Amino acid sequence: DAGITQSPRYKITETGRQVTLMCHQTWSHSYMFWYRQDLGHGLRLIYYSAAADITDKGEVPDGYVVSRSKTENFPLTLESATRSQTSVYFCASSDVGQATSYNSPLHFGNGTRLTVT
Amino acid sequence: KQEVTQIPAALSVPEGENLVLNCSFTDSAIYNLQWFRQDPGKGLTSLLLIQSSQREQTSGRLNASLDKSSGRSTLYIAASQPGDSATYLCAVRGGGYQKVTFGTGTKLQVIP
Repeated sequence: DAGITQSPRYKITETGRQVTLMCHQTWSHSYMFWYRQDLGHGLRLIYYSAAADITDKGEVPDGYVVSRSKTENFPLTLESATRSQTSVYFCASSDVGQATSYNSPLHFGNGTRLTVT
Repeated sequence: KQEVTQIPAALSVPEGENLVLNCSFTDSAIYNLQWFRQDPGKGLTSLLLIQSSQREQTSGRLNASLDKSSGRSTLYIAASQPGDSATYLCAVRGGGYQKVTFGTGTKLQVIP
């Protein structure tokens, strides 16, 4: 299926465990993003990537690690999960180029609901 | 720091009514503004994107306007339907390609 696929859809893990959330897009968009959505805070950027092997921190990066060895994949790893990382995580992508410049829309996956016990 | 506000947080209207959702932002130096809808348990679906040089965009029953100088955007929904029930979020991009600031949304309920 075309678009952005996130897996798993739901995940329960224990405090201190490592967990990886997967994101795969089929458009070959250059930019990919990870957001978390929490009541009272809205959507906040965790990390983003401008291209394969190029990543940078967003607003709330602490406790998270990302990698992007291939354009289509952008996994997010919680190195040692904490209860404060209980949230809904969204992956998004966006294209950029001479034609689209800054006006390419963001496209979102369906999210991963993570619960840390 | 850009701040995006959406008021009201929730809105309930009878089916068939025309309605307006509001979005305001504090920094007018934006590239564009995007409207999304989010259904429960789902991701965000892009509805409309208005570039900073544009005044409005239309898609079907939806019309979004942008007044950059006053820091406001509105999403007009004509002839509302129960299927329009969702949370609507606006997001502004500015200060860098990755810098997208989201509002906290307006939860719309259209009553049959």
